[in-house]
Amino acid sequence: EPEVTQTPSHQVTQMGQEVILRCVPISNHLYFYWYRQILGQKVEFLVSFYNNEISEKSEIFDDQFSVERPDGSNFTLKIRSTKLEDSAMYFCASSEQAWGNTIYFGEGSWLTVV
Amino acid sequence: AQKVTQAQTEISVVEKEDVTLDCVYETRDTTYYLFWYKQPPSGELVFLIRRNSFDEQNEISGRYSWNFQKSTSSFNFTITASQVVDSAVYFCALSEDNTNAGKSTFGDGTTLTVKP
Repeated sequence: EPEVTQTPSHQVTQMGQEVILRCVPISNHLYFYWYRQILGQKVEFLVSFYNNEISEKSEIFDDQFSVERPDGSNFTLKIRSTKLEDSAMYFCASSEQAWGNTIYFGEGSWLTVV
Repeated sequence: AQKVTQAQTEISVVEKEDVTLDCVYETRDTTYYLFWYKQPPSGELVFLIRRNSFDEQNEISGRYSWNFQKSTSSFNFTITASQVVDSAVYFCALSEDNTNAGKSTFGDGTTLTVKP
């Protein structure tokens, strides 16, 4: 079965450093998403991306965050100047259409900011 | 504003018992979508079901069934004959945005423990 892959699975970074989390969505999917889950808390939507631009973003997704699809396969989340509260699991997901299809999630990237 | 409430923080059952996970939502939209996700101890998120607001038919998939009732704004999830492998955190989610199903509000989750 096709899957969404994420790298790294775990990253530890110093506060103030920049981090890039990478995702390879399923190849024929057109919609891409990032979510965040702080340890023990609920999943929170960050951003959705379609046709090489952000289609929706949440209040969490401020200027510190950016997303990019640098080539035909990767979808990245960049966090500039990380803060302690950015420590969380970040999930990438993709779907074939905006509606009517299953949303496939990656296994997550665990970010620890120290 | 949309809101999803999963009042049951933790549920513990013995294998083969049936268990229902409750989900109550709030929305002002007439068009919306409801979801259930499973997060096993390994941490990944698994999409289980999507239901739109115009389809109140109950759905059954193997041991899983979902009961959608607009009158009570509920979308409850029942696992029949539970198994140890069902142990996980289950999230209910709501999306009002009719252009993007991925923009969802999640509930706090219900941790289900199925004991052998």
